[in-house]
Amino acid sequence: DGGITQSPKYLFRKEGQNVTLSCEQNLNHDAMYWYRQDPGQGLRLIYYSQIVNDFQKGDIAEGYSVSREKKESFPLTVTSAQKNPTAFYLCASSIDVTGHYEQYFGPGTRLTVT
Amino acid sequence: QQQVKQSPQSLIVQKGGISIINCAYENTAFDYFPWYQQFPGKGPALLIAIRPDVSEKKEGRFTISFNKSAKQFSLHIMDSQPGDSATYFCAASSRGAQKLVFGQGTRLTINP
Repeated sequence: DGGITQSPKYLFRKEGQNVTLSCEQNLNHDAMYWYRQDPGQGLRLIYYSQIVNDFQKGDIAEGYSVSREKKESFPLTVTSAQKNPTAFYLCASSIDVTGHYEQYFGPGTRLTVT
Repeated sequence: QQQVKQSPQSLIVQKGGISIINCAYENTAFDYFPWYQQFPGKGPALLIAIRPDVSEKKEGRFTISFNKSAKQFSLHIMDSQPGDSATYFCAASSRGAQKLVFGQGTRLTINP
């Protein structure tokens, strides 16, 4: 089956620890995205990548980092510098980044930092 | 100017009724307007999308109405069913912008 997988579904961390969220796609899509979802705030773009070894900051990149070493994979690291990391994180992919193609979303990872 | 404003934040409709969710934008360069549907604990999925060369697009019970002069677009769900209960997001983008701008979301509840 083609699609996007995110793991784990739930993640718990202590404050001050970095944590990496996994995102893998087998859709052969060039573009990949990370969003953060908080109640009442919609989906906010953290980072996106058009192609391997290239990525761009989104609207709320502070405290986050990404890598794109393989076309299929786009992991997100939530660093200790992120002031309010508890949220639902969604990974997405699309054929390219022009914005006019459907974005396919993964099932999300709910991160809780205490 | 990059914002998309969505209303209402939550909506309760009786089974069989019409659900209407509205979005407004300022950026006249936007030329692609998708709606996404998200069930609890899941990622959003594309429901229907419209480009500004048409004023309405219908797919089954779901219709997008687009008013270019007012810079508004809306989602109408006819004969709403309990299975339609979900959060709905409108979005917009312009060619070359490299990203979608999402509205704040509407939590729709259809009472049986």
